[in-house]
Amino acid sequence: GENVEQHPSTLSVQEGDSAVIKCTYSDSASNYFPWYKQELGKRPQLIIDIRSNVGEKKDQRIAVTLNKTAKHFSLHITETQPEDSAVYFCAASTRSNAGNMLTFGGGTRLMVKP
Amino acid sequence: NAGVTQTPKFRILKIGQSMTLQCTQDMNHNYMYWYRQDPGMGLKLIYYSVGAGITDKGEVPNGYNVSRSTTEDFPLRLELAAPSQTSVYFCASSFPGGTEAFFGQGTRLTVV
Repeated sequence: GENVEQHPSTLSVQEGDSAVIKCTYSDSASNYFPWYKQELGKRPQLIIDIRSNVGEKKDQRIAVTLNKTAKHFSLHITETQPEDSAVYFCAASTRSNAGNMLTFGGGTRLMVKP
Repeated sequence: NAGVTQTPKFRILKIGQSMTLQCTQDMNHNYMYWYRQDPGMGLKLIYYSVGAGITDKGEVPNGYNVSRSTTEDFPLRLELAAPSQTSVYFCASSFPGGTEAFFGQGTRLTVV
């Protein structure tokens, strides 16, 4: 099955700096790559996603890049703010016998210091 | 539009007890999922369903069972609870074809 690895597991940045989180996946058939943000005690919520026919997508301060050849994708957050502090999960959607399923990375705890 | 609703929010079980975690969604999503999240860890897929009457195992199915008799509901059954099942359980749903998954608020389960 699909295996998604995420690095780093923790990331501490100064407010205003950029943060980059990287994920690799194993199944070349994966075609959808979402990123979720989970604040403490809350449910994961989608912040941005990218499909395999696109190399980059941007939404204000966040962007995601995808390299299908190398099978990795990254989340970029610019001008970080304290409210960006959370755990971020990448995921890859692959086809199984029954249909699509999401496989998540292990998460990155981002801490933005004021 | 409530989205994905899970009950209960918290539960303490004794070893060997059984319980059912309820999940319902009102978005007419075909796909539904159950994940568990251990402290400080990622989300691991327990079971998923692509439609009423169809379920399949995920990465960590042992000790759990599911059923999907309607599009809206996807209950998760724990038989003979064990301390290793202490975790936060999230239900999620989505349309097919690789789309956004919407999560419930989670059920925090402790087995003592």
